[in-house]
Amino acid sequence: GNSVTQMEGPVTLSEEAFLTINCTYTATGYPSLFWYVQYPGEGLQLLLKATKADDKGSNKGFEATYRKETTSFHLEKGSVQVSDSAVYFCALMSGGGADGLTFGKGTHLIIQP
Amino acid sequence: EAGVAQSPRYKIIEKRQSVAFWCNPISGHATLYWYQQILGQGPKLLIQFQNNGVVDDSQLPKDRFSAERLKGVDSTLKIQPAKLEDSAVYLCASSLPFRRGAGELFFGEGSRLTVL
Repeated sequence: GNSVTQMEGPVTLSEEAFLTINCTYTATGYPSLFWYVQYPGEGLQLLLKATKADDKGSNKGFEATYRKETTSFHLEKGSVQVSDSAVYFCALMSGGGADGLTFGKGTHLIIQP
Repeated sequence: EAGVAQSPRYKIIEKRQSVAFWCNPISGHATLYWYQQILGQGPKLLIQFQNNGVVDDSQLPKDRFSAERLKGVDSTLKIQPAKLEDSAVYLCASSLPFRRGAGELFFGEGSRLTVL
């Protein structure tokens, strides 16, 4: 079955630090990959996505590249801000959408001023 | 554009009682999902509807959980009888069909259930 593994949190960084949150996956076929974010007191929302190998998703300064050879989709940002503090979920969707999204456990990111 | 609406936001019940959650998806979204998110874990899919038909309910504990989506719009998720391990946030999400929406789900704020 499908599964997503992401690094445990919490991850605590200082403002303007470089961020990497690791994500690897197991899936049948060729899944689409996503990063969702949950800000305090808000619902989950899509941050970025990639639908095929070597695609790079980007949004709000965050980037992630779909690496089929390493089955990875690591999230990166060059300079984090306090407002980036949130829980980040890596997820995949396969089966043409019939399987819904499979999520990782989430990584709590805390940015200190 | 209005987002996914869920109610109630919070519910506290005793074990063996019943509870129901309601979801109104974004207008025009044919696909509706219910997820269960236990504290410290990622959301787990319970059931997926396409219009008013069930696409996947393989992880729904059918001895106590039920869900329906009458007329292909609103949906309700019911738990009867509740157990302690059902304490979680129940998330509703909606989307366009996969090929049109490319897998983007729009989530509501969730309904937090505490079973005592």
